[in-house]
Amino acid sequence: DAGITQSPRHKVTETGTPVTLRCHQTENHRYMYWYRQDPGHGLRLIHYSYGVKDTDKGEVSDGYSVSRSKTEDFLLTLESATSSQTSVYFCAINERDANTGELFFGEGSRLTVL
Amino acid sequence: GENVEQHPSTLSVQEGDSAVIKCTYSDSASNYFPWYKQELGKRPQLIIDIRSNVGEKKDQRIAVTLNKTAKHFSLHITETQPEDSAVYFCAVSGSARQLTFGSGTQLTVLP
Repeated sequence: DAGITQSPRHKVTETGTPVTLRCHQTENHRYMYWYRQDPGHGLRLIHYSYGVKDTDKGEVSDGYSVSRSKTEDFLLTLESATSSQTSVYFCAINERDANTGELFFGEGSRLTVL
Repeated sequence: GENVEQHPSTLSVQEGDSAVIKCTYSDSASNYFPWYKQELGKRPQLIIDIRSNVGEKKDQRIAVTLNKTAKHFSLHITETQPEDSAVYFCAVSGSARQLTFGSGTQLTVLP
């Protein structure tokens, strides 16, 4: 399983509340990613990280922020959740260079914003 | 940015028949083309990948072909089995150094 765990796995929240999803890895991989998955859209990259305190935006970064204060944890924060952010969120790691090797995904976090 | 189109969105085949899923991409500098399989309620998992210096790659019943001139690549599954039923995603890594995914194909293998 490449040692990736996501938490929480399920969360229901209300519009306007802050939400933080956590991705934890145990193998010291440099590259970590947050994707969201929605019907008809596949997997879309939100943010990614290429090291501690090194992050960059992906295709759908508006409304999301990330932090990586240590190698093993990559946090995704919705400062003020909206219904359009209802989705399944997947964290992934890449044990090689960015996007030239296999992505290992976590089990996903299902977020519902009411 | 990269644009990846995947067809068809749904595909039903009889057990034992072949299935073909196609993807096109826009960035001619793209050089890595993986395919992921996602079973219901599970995480996506890599099943096969190909790089731009190779035209075809096979792994048992699955194969991927790449046409860089036309900017398209395809997944071929032969002798389909019920356990092949899943959503399949193509992806492309290009000059932006990000993996862009297609929208997915729901494959159903009918017994």
